[in-house]
Amino acid sequence: EAQVTQNPRYLITVTGKKLTVTCSQNMNHEYMSWYRQDPGLGLRQIYYSMNVEVTDKGDVPEGYKVSRKEKRNFPLILESPSPNQTSLYFCASSLFGVMAYEQYFGPGTRLTVT
Amino acid sequence: AQRVTQPEKLLSVFKGAPVELKCNYSYSGSPELFWYVQYSRQRLQLLLRHISRESIKGFTADLNKGETSFHLKKPFAQEEDSAMYYCALRASNQGGKLIFGQGTELSVKP
Repeated sequence: EAQVTQNPRYLITVTGKKLTVTCSQNMNHEYMSWYRQDPGLGLRQIYYSMNVEVTDKGDVPEGYKVSRKEKRNFPLILESPSPNQTSLYFCASSLFGVMAYEQYFGPGTRLTVT
Repeated sequence: AQRVTQPEKLLSVFKGAPVELKCNYSYSGSPELFWYVQYSRQRLQLLLRHISRESIKGFTADLNKGETSFHLKKPFAQEEDSAMYYCALRASNQGGKLIFGQGTELSVKP
């Protein structure tokens, strides 16, 4: 089954404790992206990657890191989480270029930073 | 700057009533517009895109370049339509990047 998976689905952590949220897709998509979803603000892009070893900042990259060492994986790293990073995070993937019209989303990771 | 605006946070209608979820965009080029839907406890999924000009689950949306709008419409709302709806724009020169609106929660009451 074609899908995007994220782990963990729920995470409660404390300020400053490094964490990683994994994202994996099995559709051989070039493009992968991380969004955060906050009430009243919709989805805002954090980072994206157009292919292996090619990553770039989205609209709200502060406090986050990503890597793309393999085509299927795109982990999101919070080196020193803070309470304002409490949010619902979505990973998405798609083909790149003119066929990129549909993004496939993961189930989401609900992160709480206390 | 590219922007998508959904002016209504919440839209509440009764079953069988017509529904229109508003979406306005700001983009100087030729955009691609999409509607994504997120049902309760489910992941975000594509509902429809303007290029296909099709009706999905009874919903349609027409791109109006003069008014820079892409409103989502359905003539008779059903309870199962209750969900969060996001309008999104893809700029022609930005690969896969989507710019989302703030979202509108549709609540269809029995």
